[in-house]
Amino acid sequence: KQEVTQIPAALSVPEGENLVLNCSFTDSAIYNLQWFRQDPGKGLTSLLLIQSSQREQTSGRLNASLDKSSGRSTLYIAASQPGDSATYLCAVMNTGFQKLVFGTGTRLLVSP
Amino acid sequence: NAGVTQTPKFQVLKTGQSMTLQCAQDMNHEYMSWYRQDPGMGLRLIHYSVGAGITDQGEVPNGYNVSRSTTEDFPLRLLSAAPSQTSVYFCASSFGDRGVFFGQGTRLTVV
Repeated sequence: KQEVTQIPAALSVPEGENLVLNCSFTDSAIYNLQWFRQDPGKGLTSLLLIQSSQREQTSGRLNASLDKSSGRSTLYIAASQPGDSATYLCAVMNTGFQKLVFGTGTRLLVSP
Repeated sequence: NAGVTQTPKFQVLKTGQSMTLQCAQDMNHEYMSWYRQDPGMGLRLIHYSVGAGITDQGEVPNGYNVSRSTTEDFPLRLLSAAPSQTSVYFCASSFGDRGVFFGQGTRLTVV
């Protein structure tokens, strides 16, 4: 059974710092991995989607990497801003299924 | 494109009442699914559908029914609401390797 873990559970940084959020999964037979952002009381916004054949994806100040063999993904946020404060969720889609298995998220607070 | 639309956004039910959470997508996606989000538990899959007329159970299906009569719609029915079903419910749709798209959620409280 696929299990997804996100570390740390919470992170507080001053504005301007570069930071890394970690995601690990137990079954390497994945189809893709998706990073989401969730603001309090809101829905999930897709940030980056990495296919199993890819090593990384970039969007603006965000970069996500994938190491399938070791069961790890990282989300790198450059030059963090207070507007980046949110919960970041990692989700894995296993091969053969269009279903996601989620981690419990990292709650990020960026202080001005 | 509206994407994935859920209604209602908020709902309060009394124990034992029934209701239907509505979900519609306009992206012609084959796959649709329902998740619930609880503090400390993350999002968990309730039911999913791989196409019109085909549904299956996810991780936490008890107390919920689904049907898929059209590609666009995937309603979730609570037959007899219980306080344990207090949660935030998300509908999602996907197709192939394009990622999963979520609705804005329905916050349900059962008293």
